[in-house]
Amino acid sequence: AQSVTQLDSQVPVFEEAPVELRCNYSSSVSVYLFWYVQYPNQGLQLLLKYLSGSTLVKGINGFEAEFNKSQTSFHLRKPSVHISDTAEYFCAVIQNTGNQFYFGTGTSLTVIP
Amino acid sequence: DTAVSQTPKYLVTQMGNDKSIKCEQNLGHDTMYWYKQDSKKFLKIMFSYNNKELIINETVPNRFSPKSPDKAHLNLHINSLELGDSAVYFCASSLDRGNGYTFGSGTRLTVV
Repeated sequence: AQSVTQLDSQVPVFEEAPVELRCNYSSSVSVYLFWYVQYPNQGLQLLLKYLSGSTLVKGINGFEAEFNKSQTSFHLRKPSVHISDTAEYFCAVIQNTGNQFYFGTGTSLTVIP
Repeated sequence: DTAVSQTPKYLVTQMGNDKSIKCEQNLGHDTMYWYKQDSKKFLKIMFSYNNKELIINETVPNRFSPKSPDKAHLNLHINSLELGDSAVYFCASSLDRGNGYTFGSGTRLTVV
């Protein structure tokens, strides 16, 4: 069975400060990993994904994430956040032979002016 | 051109009513999904269809029934609505597991 854990339900951060949103997963087989962002009253949008290759992946809006197989983690980072980054962020995983995505419980990022 | 479109965007209805939510995707994806997002933002998968065939049917009340007339459409019909059904329902589609989902903008259902 798979599971996805987002360790922080809420992360407040000041504007222009760096941020890291944590995601850990459990799976006995290889997985694909994703981060989605949900702005208020909108659907989820894909930020970035890891399928294979380089463990550091870059996404939209200046976000990046690093896949760490030994720690089964896929943490999301941004060196300098903007007010517009205030949103809910979801980590998701799917087995590379599976047909269902598993989502974490979300992290609410609030950027403080 | 909206990739995954859901209608209606908002739905307010009384307990006991029957309602439907429609979803259409113009991406040519084979797989479509329905998710329920509760007030704490938790996403729970409900159903998935691959080319009109039901492949995921999670434990949801049988008052919820999905219908896929073709691979571009996946509708959700809910009978005898209850207060606990109030949530945001998201439709999504997927080309393959490596591309992730494309989500619709959601339908906010409020049962009063």
